[in-house]
Amino acid sequence: KQEVTQIPAALSVPEGENLVLNCSFTDSAIYNLQWFRQDPGKGLTSLLLIQSSQREQTSGRLNASLDKSSGRSTLYIAASQPGDSATYLCAGVNYGGSQGNLIFGKGTKLSVKP
Amino acid sequence: DGGITQSPKYLFRKEGQNVTLSCEQNLNHDAMYWYRQDPGQGLRLIYYSQIVNDFQKGDIAEGYSVSREKKESFPLTVTSAQKNPTAFYLCASSIAKGPYNEQFFGPGTRLTVL
Repeated sequence: KQEVTQIPAALSVPEGENLVLNCSFTDSAIYNLQWFRQDPGKGLTSLLLIQSSQREQTSGRLNASLDKSSGRSTLYIAASQPGDSATYLCAGVNYGGSQGNLIFGKGTKLSVKP
Repeated sequence: DGGITQSPKYLFRKEGQNVTLSCEQNLNHDAMYWYRQDPGQGLRLIYYSQIVNDFQKGDIAEGYSVSREKKESFPLTVTSAQKNPTAFYLCASSIAKGPYNEQFFGPGTRLTVL
């Protein structure tokens, strides 16, 4: 059964730092991967989608990469801002099992201090 | 504005009651999903629907029921058979079911059992 681990579970950084959030899958046969942001008590906002033919995606200060051979993804946030404070979730779809459904990690809670 | 709406934002249920959570989308998406989120946990799939008048159980369907009579609507009923219904419920949609397609989420409904 596919399991998704996000490291670290929580992270606190000063404003302006570059940071990396990690996501790994027990089954490395990942078809595609989505990174989401969740603010407290709110729904999920889709940040980046990496599809099967891609290795990375970029949007503004965010860059996500996927290494299919290892089943690992990273989300890089450049020049962090207090407004980036939120929980970041990764979710993937793997070949074969899970009927094409997204499998979610538990998230990394990010706090950016002014 | 295109998007997904969920109502109510907060819902309180007494023991033994059935309650229905609303989810509406105007994105013209065929696929819709219901997830449950518990504190410190990843999202878990309850039910999904690929097309009108069709739906499938997810990983944790016991104690829940759904209907899909219209493309834009996918209500979730939490029945009295669900033993621990207190959670945050999220509805999502995608243009079609399948690993290619990005999922978009609503703002969520927080259900509390009194």
